[in-house]
Amino acid sequence: DIQMTQSPSAMSASVGDRVTITCRASQGISNYLAWFQQKPGKVPKRLIYAASSLQSGVPSRFSGSGSGTEFTLTISSLQPEDFATYYCLQHNSYPPTFGQGTRLEIK
Amino acid sequence: EVQLVESGGGLVKPGGSLRLSCAASGFTFSSYSMNWVRQAPGKGLEWVSSISSSSSYIYYADSVKGRFTISRDNAKNSLYLQMNSLRAEDTAVYYCARGYGSGWDIDYWGQGTLVTVSS
Repeated sequence: DIQMTQSPSAMSASVGDRVTITCRASQGISNYLAWFQQKPGKVPKRLIYAASSLQSGVPSRFSGSGSGTEFTLTISSLQPEDFATYYCLQHNSYPPTFGQGTRLEIK
Repeated sequence: EVQLVESGGGLVKPGGSLRLSCAASGFTFSSYSMNWVRQAPGKGLEWVSSISSSSSYIYYADSVKGRFTISRDNAKNSLYLQMNSLRAEDTAVYYCARGYGSGWDIDYWGQGTLVTVSS
């Protein structure tokens, strides 16, 4: 199975900060990676697909990059509604696997 | 608007069975693969099972293989998960999720249904 390792596992930041979350795959997955946001008690919401494509309706402050084994999710200017847990998902090969999550908290 | 509505969760004893359902609307159900993903209380997301649009291809996580069965009825726009020999570690919110593209990507999620396995 491909292991997805996110870093950091948790972080605190302030409104207006630029934030970067990293996801590393244990083997190459091309660009078969998606990013999801989950707020407490809510359903996961896809933000990015194909590593760098922005899901329709998602604010442009979110962006994704990377290919192969290293990927990043960047929030250019944190907004209050962005405090949540973020997950990456590799879907290059069976079984699809999620990262362990990155909890983004208010500083 | 894509809508996925799960039902069938509840409290069940270890070794028991439960059948989850997911009613889909707002898209052509028969054209999409579908998935079940679960989340144990306070934990991360775990992919459980996938089924292709015509049911030709079915996949399971090792943790549920031999105990869970995924199926679909395209005439009823419905997805199912039959769960047998349930264990305490199967306790989770189970999400129905729509597949995207030809692999195991996921775009839309249902609101989830809670399965609790406890004596």
